[in-house]
Order: sequence, then structure tokens, then C-alpha cells
Amino acid sequence: SYELTQPPSVSVSPGQTARITCSGDALPKQYAYWYQQKPGQAPVLVIYKDSERPSGIPERFSGSSSGTTVTLTISGVQAEDEADYYCQSADSSGTHVFGGGTKLTVL
Amino acid sequence: QVQLVQSGAEVKKPGASVKVSCKASGYTFTSYGISWVRQAPGQGLEWMGWISAYNGNTNYAQKLQGRVTMTTDTSTSTAYMELRSLRSDDTAVYYCAREGEGYDYWGQGTLVTVSS
Repeated sequence: SYELTQPPSVSVSPGQTARITCSGDALPKQYAYWYQQKPGQAPVLVIYKDSERPSGIPERFSGSSSGTTVTLTISGVQAEDEADYYCQSADSSGTHVFGGGTKLTVL
Repeated sequence: QVQLVQSGAEVKKPGASVKVSCKASGYTFTSYGISWVRQAPGQGLEWMGWISAYNGNTNYAQKLQGRVTMTTDTSTSTAYMELRSLRSDDTAVYYCAREGEGYDYWGQGTLVTVSS
């Protein structure tokens, strides 16, 4: 079955830049989406179609794609950005899949 | 404003079934699909499947084929997810999510606990 691979954890100091990667063989052909989830809350979409930002999401969140890897970048990280982040995409049959999630710690 | 409101927490015994509802408001229900996503305690997100609110077409995760059924009632703008033959590892928070450009709106989640 199709898998998306994320690092389990990323740590950054406030004001620095956090980069979270997601790798998958189908990513050159399928869009990726990124979700932020804080404890006890439902996920929130922060990036769609690799690099588009929904309204209401701060400009410090951005997304990029290169080959089989997509990257969520958070510039000028703030304490409130501490959360779990999940990438999501689909395979050619339309089956959706999530990455395992990355815990972002703001030191 | 768009809202997805799910039914309340459930406690079920192994082997039983559970049906979770997701009532949509604030948009044209039949213009978007609904996906169901679950999250076991302390674990990541797992996609369960998708249903078109327009024509009822479905696409289920392979590991749940035969145990899950997703339906919609367009008269009440409500989506349903039924999971049968429950096991302890089905204990999770179950979310519905509208599929726009990504899962752009989510329900609040429904905790389903499977325990004898």
C-alpha cells in the first residue's frame, strides 16, 4: 500500500524556520496537503495543492514540492505553532493516505 | 458558516456495530464529498474512506472493506459512517471532513470506545 514518510519530530527555537518533509513515490503526480493538529482538537488545513494557503492561515506557513518530496516551511516559528503536522495525498486509485505525522517542538 | 456537527461518544462491546453521524450546514451539501478519518489514542490520522454527497459513490480504505459503510441523507444534509464487527483496535476518535481543496472543514470528532 502507498505510504507517505515524515520525520517523527522537528525542534526549533522561536523565530527560526522549521521545515517538515514528506516523501512518497506518487507525489510528483498527486497534490499534497498539510494539516496542523493541536492536542484535543480536530486537524486544520494549512496548505493545499502543495503550496496554496487557505484564507486565515498566517503567511509564515508555506509549502513546496520537489520530485518525490514535499516540504512544509514555517518561517519565524511562534510558540503557538507547536503541534503535530500531517501530510496527506492520494494514490492513482483515489485512495487517500496520511503521513505518520511530525511533532513540532518550539524550544 | 460551514459546520460539521457529529454525534456523541459511544461505548460498544467487541463484535457490535457503531453508526456515527455528521450533520452539515452552511453550504450546499451535495456539492462536496465527505471523508471519514480516525485517530487511535496517541496515534496518527488514518483515512477510512470517502463518499460523494452528490451521487453516493464511495471509496473505502482497503483494510476496512467489508466492515465499513458510508451513506448520506441529502434531505437532512447528514453523512453517516457505520463500522461493524468492532474490535478493541477500532477504539479511536472518528472525524468527518468536507473534501473541498483538501479537507477544509472538520467535525469535532466522535470518540468510539470498544471494550468488553
